[in-house]
Amino acid sequence: DAGITQSPRHKVTETGTPVTLRCHQTENHRYMYWYRQDPGHGLRLIHYSYGVKDTDKGEVSDGYSVSRSKTEDFLLTLESATSSQTSVYFCAIRDSKEKLFFGSGTQLSVL
Amino acid sequence: GESVGLHLPTLSVQEGDNSIINCAYSNSASDYFIWYKQESGKGPQFIIDIRSNMDKRQGQRVTVLLNKTVKHLSLQIAATQPGDSAVYFCAEGNDYKLSFGAGTTVTVRA
Repeated sequence: DAGITQSPRHKVTETGTPVTLRCHQTENHRYMYWYRQDPGHGLRLIHYSYGVKDTDKGEVSDGYSVSRSKTEDFLLTLESATSSQTSVYFCAIRDSKEKLFFGSGTQLSVL
Repeated sequence: GESVGLHLPTLSVQEGDNSIINCAYSNSASDYFIWYKQESGKGPQFIIDIRSNMDKRQGQRVTVLLNKTVKHLSLQIAATQPGDSAVYFCAEGNDYKLSFGAGTTVTVRA
């Protein structure tokens, strides 16, 4: 998966609890992204990062925050998980030729 | 708002035939287009990309066509194989972000 590792691969949590998903890259790329995938919606951008401590919102950022303290790690946090955040979450990195490469995904279920 | 979408949610094709997957986009400012393939339980995998200054680009068994006049993108797969069964997404890019369509599920019949 192009040097991208997502953890955990699966997570079940309860409504109202905080959840943090981790994305780790070994490619030293500047741009990293978090997408969510839901039936009928394709992939929707949550947040992205263009460098250490540099992040910006995507189209569905409400209820999510991100942090990037190191080039290789991009964290996605749900401060208080809701059932509407049940989804598959994908991290991606952007190479020098603008191609996005995706991780294997995290299946999150909020009960 | 701007969106990227595919014409058909599903496509069934006979093994050995050519497949054509279509995509319409609405953001005329997009300058980069890309096709991804996603198999069950996996992340999207890059297939082929094309920039807005090109009309056609070929890869191994795949060809992407871009018609900027009608804002249409297509992916052609030659001699479709069972391993081509997957969900295919088109995406348009601008300002370091990609926007994805909902996807077309391709099923290859033996």
